[in-house]
Parts: sequence; C-alpha cells; structure tokens
Amino acid sequence: DAGVTQSPTHLIKTRGQHVTLRCSPISGHKSVSWYQQVLGQGPQFIFQYYEKEERGRGNFPDRFSARQFPNYSSELNVNALLLGDSALYLCASHSWGSSETQYFGPGTRLLVL
Amino acid sequence: AQKITQTQPGMFVQEKEAVTLDCTYDTSDPSYGLFWYKQPSSGEMIFLIYQGSYDQQNATEGRYSLNFQKARKSANLVISASQLGDSAMYFCAMREGRWAGNQFYFGTGTSLTVIP
Repeated sequence: DAGVTQSPTHLIKTRGQHVTLRCSPISGHKSVSWYQQVLGQGPQFIFQYYEKEERGRGNFPDRFSARQFPNYSSELNVNALLLGDSALYLCASHSWGSSETQYFGPGTRLLVL
Repeated sequence: AQKITQTQPGMFVQEKEAVTLDCTYDTSDPSYGLFWYKQPSSGEMIFLIYQGSYDQQNATEGRYSLNFQKARKSANLVISASQLGDSAMYFCAMREGRWAGNQFYFGTGTSLTVIP
C-alpha cells in the first residue's frame, strides 16, 4: 500500500508570493495533519482536518490556511511568504477515533528567498 | 513549559552496541501517548515505537524498546545492536488524549551517529 504522498518535493519562492502544498493520505485514512519543521527544530503542529472540516489549529498566523477534499487529500496554502516560512512541511495521516500513530509523508522543502 | 524535552543534541555509538536516547515529557492529562520517530536526512518521519500512558509493560519493536518511567515522566528509547543505518535524527513526541488525531508535540531531536 502507498504511504502518505506529498507534492512538490522541493519549492523555491520569493517573499510575498503564495504557495500551495499538496498531500494524499494513506488509503482508508480520513484525517490529515500538517506540521512545519524549521531547520534544527522538531515539527510544529499547523492544522488538522477530518471529513473536510478543520478540527485543530496550531499557533500560526492567518496567512496559513488549508482544506481537505472529498477524497481526503489536502492542500496547505501560505500567503505573503516570509523568509521565516522556509521549512520542511510535513503531512501526516491517521485513522480518526483510534489510538494509532500518525504516519508522515516525505515532506515538501520550501525555501523563501 | 516544554511538553517534550530531549537534552542530547548529539550522540555517538559504536556499531553493534546499545544506545539510550533520553526523553522527558510534561502533561497533566492522565491519558496520553508517547512516540519515537526516526528522521533520516531525506526528511521523512519514520514511526518506530509507541507507548500508551496506561500500558503496564514497556513497548518493544524489534531492536527498539521504550523505557517508560511514568513517575519520572520519562520515555527513553533504547536501540540495541546499533547499525550504520541507524544514523539519523530521532524525535520523541507526545499526544495528549486517546485519539490519533490530537496534535503531536515534538522535542528538538537527538542526532545519532553510529561509528563503524
């Protein structure tokens, strides 16, 4: 079975631009979470979505938004990019309502110049 | 206060030896889960092992075991018989509550280098 997939793998943008990152969860998983991992740090929670609804939000500005589609894939959008948004963006999928772990994708490396 | 603390930025271990990576946590929720992930240079977070707060026995998965000391709020990862492929960043994480969807809190990680 395929794991969590993310696209693109790498991305270079300039300050002020907008970016869209995509994630497809493991088949059968209906919930997706997004994390930001700045170099040298652990991942920080951004959003969680289940059944197309936002179920959790971390301490990130409104420039960050996300959505989930009927097929449970998800997009993370970041507007007005700042240099500090440069990071590895990780998507994780999990079964809702169980005690299972979250399974992470390979991530998207975003560099803002 | 930090939810997860990893105090070892870097560790070295000889191939075939055992190594312990430290993790302490802070929560007032009686129900929580503790996780260890491995992150190679490629970036993907690879799940290694899970320990629930109500589990009576320490979790084991192959060469990985979790030394769970609830009263001390520690969840150390023990890797036995280290291999060169074990060289990577290791992250301890905690989820408060029972559900997989609750957010994970991660530590700052420990960089493990296995020496031939």
